[in-house]
This record gives sequence, C-alpha cells and structure tokens, in this order.
Amino acid sequence: GDSVTQMEGPVTLSEEAFLTINCTYTATGYPSLFWYVQYPGEGLQLLLKATKADDKGSNKGFEATYRKETTSFHLEKGSVQVSDSAVYFCALRLKTSYDKVIFGPGTSLSVIP
Amino acid sequence: KAGVTQTPRYLIKTRGQQVTLSCSPISGHRSVSWYQQTPGQGLQFLFEYFSETQRNKGNFPGRFSGRQFSNSRSEMNVSTLELGDSALYLCASSFDRKSHYGYTFGSGTRLTVV
Repeated sequence: GDSVTQMEGPVTLSEEAFLTINCTYTATGYPSLFWYVQYPGEGLQLLLKATKADDKGSNKGFEATYRKETTSFHLEKGSVQVSDSAVYFCALRLKTSYDKVIFGPGTSLSVIP
Repeated sequence: KAGVTQTPRYLIKTRGQQVTLSCSPISGHRSVSWYQQTPGQGLQFLFEYFSETQRNKGNFPGRFSGRQFSNSRSEMNVSTLELGDSALYLCASSFDRKSHYGYTFGSGTRLTVV
C-alpha cells in the first residue's frame, strides 16, 4: 500500500549545522508531497509542499525537492536554530483518488546551542 | 483569519465513559479530517468528512464515530472509553479534497482515560 518512510530519530544537531531529514515514499499514483512540523504541545503545521516532479518547496529556510526517480522528498536546511527543535513529518496525498493524507512516523530534531 | 479550533484542549475521562470532541475548521474549508496521535503508533487516520458526509474511514472500531454539520464544524465521539484511547486527537481542515491542498491542523485535544 501507499506509505511514507522517514529516517530514524532523534536527530541532535548543534546550532548553525546543516540539516537533512530523509523521506521516501511508495505510492500507486503520483502524489503531492508535504512536510509538516510539530512543536511541543501543538498541532502540526504545514511547512512546505511540492505537487509535481522536480518541484522545490521552500519555507523559513527549509527546502525539499520532489524526486520522482528516487521517490524521495528530503528536507534540508543550511543552518538550523534552537527554535527549529520539533518533530518533522513527511506526508503524501494521492492525485488519483480523493484520499487521505498519509504521514510518515516523524523525526524528532533537537538543536543545541 | 482564525485557525482550526478544537475544544476542549484537555480532557480526563474514566474507562467506560463516552466523550465528544469538537472541531471548527478555517472559514471556507469544507473538508475535516481527524487523526489520533500516540507515541507508539504515530498519526493514525480516523475519518474524513466533506459536505456533511463521511468520505473515508480508518481502521478504528465502531466506538469511534463522527459527524459534520452544515457549517463544516465537526464532532467526533468515542463511546465506552478504554485506557488505550488516551491520545492527542487532531483535527485538520482543508479547502477541498484535491491532492495539492494540504491540511491546517488544530492544536488538538489531549484525552486521558483513567
């Protein structure tokens, strides 16, 4: 079935380090892809999205490129801040059917000063 | 523009009781989805409502039910609560059901069953 796989966490980085969180997907159709972020005690927020192959989503210094050939949507940021500490979820939504958003398990990120 | 509002934020119930959670979507959003979030299972899809009709349902027992009103507000109900129902229940609204629309989430209702 359709699914999303993310790298295992938790990830701990020093401030200003480079961040990569890997995400790969399995889908029967051609999905739209999303990254959501969840700060402690809050719901999820949409961070960025890409709706077709080679699209790059970006927001708040984060970027992810829709790679159809590798079925991946890795999240990157050049210089993380303490305020980026949160749980990051990769997700997909199929285009071929009006279906739910499927979420990955989430990757916890801690940024230390 | 107001966000997705979930009430109450916190709830403590006893096993066997029932509970109703409420979600008011962003104005103009017609689709409302519910997810259960637990540390062990992550985000699990409960159901989706669009135009007052349930369009999708996850793999949860019949004790979990929901509905959507004409103003798009939604409620979910859990009857005969079990300890395992303790979780953060998240409501998410979307303008439409098409793939390129992401969700806007509420802050959730933290349910504790004792």
